[in-house]
Amino acid sequence: DVKVTQSSRYLVKRTGEKVFLECVQDMDHENMFWYRQDPGLGLRLIYFSYDVKMKEKGDIPEGYSVSREKKERFSLILESASTNQTSMYLCASKGRPGEQYFGPGTRLTVT
Amino acid sequence: SQQGEEDPQALSIQEGENATMNCSYKTSINNLQWYRQNSGRGLVHLILIRSNEREKHSGRLRVTLDTSKKSSSLLITASRAADTASYFCATDAGRAAGNKLTFGGGTRVLVKP
Repeated sequence: DVKVTQSSRYLVKRTGEKVFLECVQDMDHENMFWYRQDPGLGLRLIYFSYDVKMKEKGDIPEGYSVSREKKERFSLILESASTNQTSMYLCASKGRPGEQYFGPGTRLTVT
Repeated sequence: SQQGEEDPQALSIQEGENATMNCSYKTSINNLQWYRQNSGRGLVHLILIRSNEREKHSGRLRVTLDTSKKSSSLLITASRAADTASYFCATDAGRAAGNKLTFGGGTRVLVKP
């Protein structure tokens, strides 16, 4: 079974802090994705990556950056956290065309 | 922007009943997928239907796709309390759209024992 893990289930940070969310997949997938999920807005794509050191903006990249130095790891960075970035963050990976495999999510609260 | 829109937003049924939810989308797709999310957890892939398919089954799940109407439905037969979850449709517009998935807002399903 594909396993996608995220570094934290719950995270509380202060406004202005730099925040790192880590995602690791164990199936040698080329494609990895970061989403945020908010009530009433569904899942929105922040960034995705086709390969190591490659990244593409999704629908809501503002305020975020990403890093993919190794194939199995895709990091989401909040350069200066703000309260409107309080959300559930979901990482996913994709191998063969089609389905994505999701991690358990990180619920981030910025105070 | 959301490509898929689910209907209804919420559904409450008794155990043993069938649950049907619908998804509409706006642009051409390569495939459409359905996912389940249990409360506060990640999404789990349920089923994928390609644009040239009209119906697909997987266990108690039945998915239909009507590309002329740009709509899909997910039917869960003989529901169980464990089916309580949110269900999302997601469209894949293929390489031209970067092989990304675009998710709808979801349908919350409550199955009462």
